[in-house]
Amino acid sequence: KQEVTQIPAALSVPEGENLVLNCSFTDSAIYNLQWFRQDPGKGLTSLLLIQSSQREQTSGRLNASLDKSSGRSTLYIAASQPGDSATYLCAVRDGGTYKYIFGTGTRLKVLA
Amino acid sequence: SQTIHQWPATLVQPVGSPLSLECTVEGTSNPNLYWYRQAAGRGLQLLFYSVGIGQISSEVPQNLSASRPQDRQFILSSKKLLLSDSGFYLCAWSSKTSRNTGELFFGEGSRLTVL
Repeated sequence: KQEVTQIPAALSVPEGENLVLNCSFTDSAIYNLQWFRQDPGKGLTSLLLIQSSQREQTSGRLNASLDKSSGRSTLYIAASQPGDSATYLCAVRDGGTYKYIFGTGTRLKVLA
Repeated sequence: SQTIHQWPATLVQPVGSPLSLECTVEGTSNPNLYWYRQAAGRGLQLLFYSVGIGQISSEVPQNLSASRPQDRQFILSSKKLLLSDSGFYLCAWSSKTSRNTGELFFGEGSRLTVL
């Protein structure tokens, strides 16, 4: 059974810092991995999607990497801003299924 | 472009009352549809998913049921709510097309409080 873990659970950093969020999964037979952002009381916004055959994806100040063999993904946020404060979740789609399994998220606070 | 609508946004219901949450997707056909629940301070738990009309897969035995009466409509129901049904319910969709990247898109969520 696929399990997804995110570390740390919470993170507080001063504005301008570069930071890394971690996501690990137990079964490497995934179809893709997706990073989301969730603001309080809101739905999830897709940030980056990495297919199983890809190693990384970039969008603006965000870079996500995938090491399928070791069951790990990282989300790198460059030059963090207070507007980046949110909960970040990763999800994997199990290979051969349509199921998306989520981690418990990392709650990020960027201090001005 | 594709959009997903979910309603109601907020619901306060007494224990033992029925529930109906509705989700519709526009701008695509034959999507995969999902219901997730997020308890306070916790991750998303997959409740149901559907790959087609009338096809429902249940992930967690519970007091809830789902139905897909039309291609782009997904309904979450309960006959009698429990206190433990309180939470934030999220509908999502993904495409099955050959160009599909498998990206998952979410609605704005429905917050249910059972008293």
